[in-house]
Amino acid sequence: DAGVTQSPTHLIKTRGQHVTLRCSPISGHKSVSWYQQVLGQGPQFIFQYYEKEERGRGNFPDRFSARQFPNYSSELNVNALLLGDSALYLCASSLLLAGISDTQYFGPGTRLTVL
Amino acid sequence: DAKTTQPNSMESNEEEPVHLPCNHSTISGTDYIHWYRQLPSQGPEYVIHGLTSNVNNRMASLAIAEDRKSSTLILHRATLRDAAVYYCILRLEYSGAGSYQLTFGKGTKLSVIP
Repeated sequence: DAGVTQSPTHLIKTRGQHVTLRCSPISGHKSVSWYQQVLGQGPQFIFQYYEKEERGRGNFPDRFSARQFPNYSSELNVNALLLGDSALYLCASSLLLAGISDTQYFGPGTRLTVL
Repeated sequence: DAKTTQPNSMESNEEEPVHLPCNHSTISGTDYIHWYRQLPSQGPEYVIHGLTSNVNNRMASLAIAEDRKSSTLILHRATLRDAAVYYCILRLEYSGAGSYQLTFGKGTKLSVIP
């Protein structure tokens, strides 16, 4: 079975531009989470979506937004890019069924470079 | 938020057991302990998780202290493929419907010596 897929794998943008990153979860998984990983640090939580609704949000500015589609795929949008947004953006999917021990499975990430 | 503390780096000889420690003294009763590892240029890979009891799977074992303030990830026979950054994470639950986030620290960089 295919794992979590993300596109594109690499992206170069300039300051002030907008970017859209895409994620397809594992088949049957209804929840998608987004993380930002700056070089040398662990991933930082940005958003969690389940059934097209935002279920959690990390400490990121409003320039960051996301949405989930009926097929459970997701997009992460970042507006007005700053140099500090350069990072590996990770998508993770999970079943997210209440009452069970759940875990997240990560994709390979999208490497964003802001010049 | 509950935090975890791990050594920055550890070394192990190939084919020997490795014990990776993690302190989480502020853990709450509903926080699951998760371990992930990350190889260079890859996304994190799930290793194991637990709540109170010790857990075993094909990759590793997780030993959780009785007071849950610390845990140890055990790799029974380290191989070169186990060289990675290992993250000990507390899964923070949101209210309702099982929503949660994973809070990563800096992790432990494990080097395996042939």
